[in-house]
Amino acid sequence: ETGVTQTPRHLVMGMTNKKSLKCEQHLGHNAMYWYKQSAKKPLELMFVYSLEERVENNSVPSRFSPECPNSSHLFLHLHTLQPEDSALYLCASSRRDRGSDTQYFGPGTRLTVL
Amino acid sequence: GESVGLHLPTLSVQEGDNSIINCAYSNSASDYFIWYKQESGKGPQFIIDIRSNMDKRQGQRVTVLLNKTVKHLSLQIAATQPGDSAVYFCAENRGSARQLTFGSGTQLTVLP
Repeated sequence: ETGVTQTPRHLVMGMTNKKSLKCEQHLGHNAMYWYKQSAKKPLELMFVYSLEERVENNSVPSRFSPECPNSSHLFLHLHTLQPEDSALYLCASSRRDRGSDTQYFGPGTRLTVL
Repeated sequence: GESVGLHLPTLSVQEGDNSIINCAYSNSASDYFIWYKQESGKGPQFIIDIRSNMDKRQGQRVTVLLNKTVKHLSLQIAATQPGDSAVYFCAENRGSARQLTFGSGTQLTVLP
């Protein structure tokens, strides 16, 4: 276990549903990330929350909405998704003020959009 | 554009042999590199990292080599075991951005 947990592990939803993915880190880190992993493609950074600042990839559609209530919890709210949004969604965390940015990943949520 | 890429998408090795997984990067400003291992159904797992002021770093059964002249990174796994079968990613950290850019991965298969 890496100290980063994600729920649910699997999610099937219709295009009109609203759901949320949850991530929690137990490592004392101060930055959290959402990545999208599609088959045979590099990991795609979606959002970063670092020291209460949010950074986002401008190519991420607005149907994905992150929320970071504190340094240990991160959510990804999903609404009106498309079938091409089906992928593995990975959460990661890191300690950004120690000169290295090694990110530790959770197990991911496998999302299928019907 | 600048990217991190892997030379081979798949690699098969005999159990007990050494494995070498390669990675090319194009951003000379990158100062920190990481190798991750991802097993089926799991998230990427940190293996080893190296800073740009080093050219070699060793861990348990793994060695990372960095050649800044040709912008090349490699991961060597000694005495490869069946449990080493996974996808291996390299990632670079481009200095002030402090965000990782990942390669697309190499599938390592260990043959009995």
